[in-house]
Amino acid sequence: GENVEQHPSTLSVQEGDSAVIKCTYSDSASNYFPWYKQELGKGPQLIIDIRSNVGEKKDQRIAVTLNKTAKHFSLHITETQPEDSAVYFCAASSGTDSWGKLQFGAGTQVVVTP
Amino acid sequence: EPEVTQTPSHQVTQMGQEVILRCVPISNHLYFYWYRQILGQKVEFLVSFYNNEISEKSEIFDDQFSVERPDGSNFTLKIRSTKLEDSAMYFCASKWKVGTSGIKEQFFGPGTRLTVL
Repeated sequence: GENVEQHPSTLSVQEGDSAVIKCTYSDSASNYFPWYKQELGKGPQLIIDIRSNVGEKKDQRIAVTLNKTAKHFSLHITETQPEDSAVYFCAASSGTDSWGKLQFGAGTQVVVTP
Repeated sequence: EPEVTQTPSHQVTQMGQEVILRCVPISNHLYFYWYRQILGQKVEFLVSFYNNEISEKSEIFDDQFSVERPDGSNFTLKIRSTKLEDSAMYFCASKWKVGTSGIKEQFFGPGTRLTVL
């Protein structure tokens, strides 16, 4: 089955700097890669996703890149703000069926200090 | 904006007791999921549900677990005889409304924290 590895486990950045979180996956059939943000006491919230037919996607300060050959994808947050502090999860989903169970990475605790 | 809701937010139970966790998925969504997150660990897939039947389940989802969609709005997870190791945050998720293009995006509820004593 799919295995998703995520690094780093914690990331401290100064406000205004960039943050990068990296994930690798094992199943070459995976074709959908969402990123979720989880704030304390809340459920994961989808912030951006990418499909395997695209190499990069950007939404304001957030971007995701995908390298299918190397089986890795990354989340980039630019101009970080204190409200970006949260746990970020990457996930992967296989395209072999529509059920689409998500396999999650272990999460990255991002702390943005003013 | 529509969202997935879950009740209760926190459930405390004694080992061996039955619990039912409730979810109201986003209206008109067709796929439903339960995931769990043991404290400090990954979010893990438990089960997916489509067209009134289980479409896929993980190894975790053994005979002690069951899911049901008793009416047009609720989606429940039942644990028949809880064990200490069932203590976790349980998340419900739903996806896809007919006529929309986002068949992949899953939307999560806020979770139910289950504590088994």
